[in-house]
Amino acid sequence: QQKVQQSPESLSVPEGGMASFNCTSSDRNFQYFWWYRQHSGEGPKALMSIFSDGDKKEGRFTAHLNKASLHVSLHIRDSQPSDSALYFCAARMDSNYQLIWGSGTKLIIKP
Amino acid sequence: DPKIIQKPKYLVAVTGSEKILICEQYLGHNAMYWYRQSAKKPLEFMFSYSYQKLMDNQTASSRFQPQSSKKNHLDLQITALKPDDSATYFCASSQLGGSETLYFGSGTRLTVL
Repeated sequence: QQKVQQSPESLSVPEGGMASFNCTSSDRNFQYFWWYRQHSGEGPKALMSIFSDGDKKEGRFTAHLNKASLHVSLHIRDSQPSDSALYFCAARMDSNYQLIWGSGTKLIIKP
Repeated sequence: DPKIIQKPKYLVAVTGSEKILICEQYLGHNAMYWYRQSAKKPLEFMFSYSYQKLMDNQTASSRFQPQSSKKNHLDLQITALKPDDSATYFCASSQLGGSETLYFGSGTRLTVL
């Protein structure tokens, strides 16, 4: 069964620090990746998508994809209390539209 | 204005009863989805529909039946409710062939007593 392994399960970062999340896919056919964020009491919201190897930067958020190592990561610099949330990676293959989700990382930003 | 409307926000039901969760999207998307979130499974895909046709079903139980009366509606009927069905149910939509980013509603929190 296709899987996306996400780590760590939880993360505590001081305000202003760097938060990093990782996902490793089980299948080389995963081609498209997204990062979603979910604040308590809300639905998940897309942060970034990344489809090509390398880095993609949007403001304080940087995603990195290495398809050869089946690895995608998300880094948040200058973390703010409002970044405290649950973060998910999601991936899909070229051959179908089904998204495979990681298990989530709970991020707590300490003031 | 919310672009994906889910009703109700909270729902309490008794074991064995039947409930319908409502979802409407106003993003003009061609695909809609149901997801379930609980303490046991952070985000669990249930169904996907495109143009009112079922694309994928990952729900083992036939007690869960999606209903699409219009292309921007995808309701979820749950019959013979069990306490294990207690969870938050999220509706989502996306544009297949476009960005394919999912947009989620704010969820319906279901509690089965």
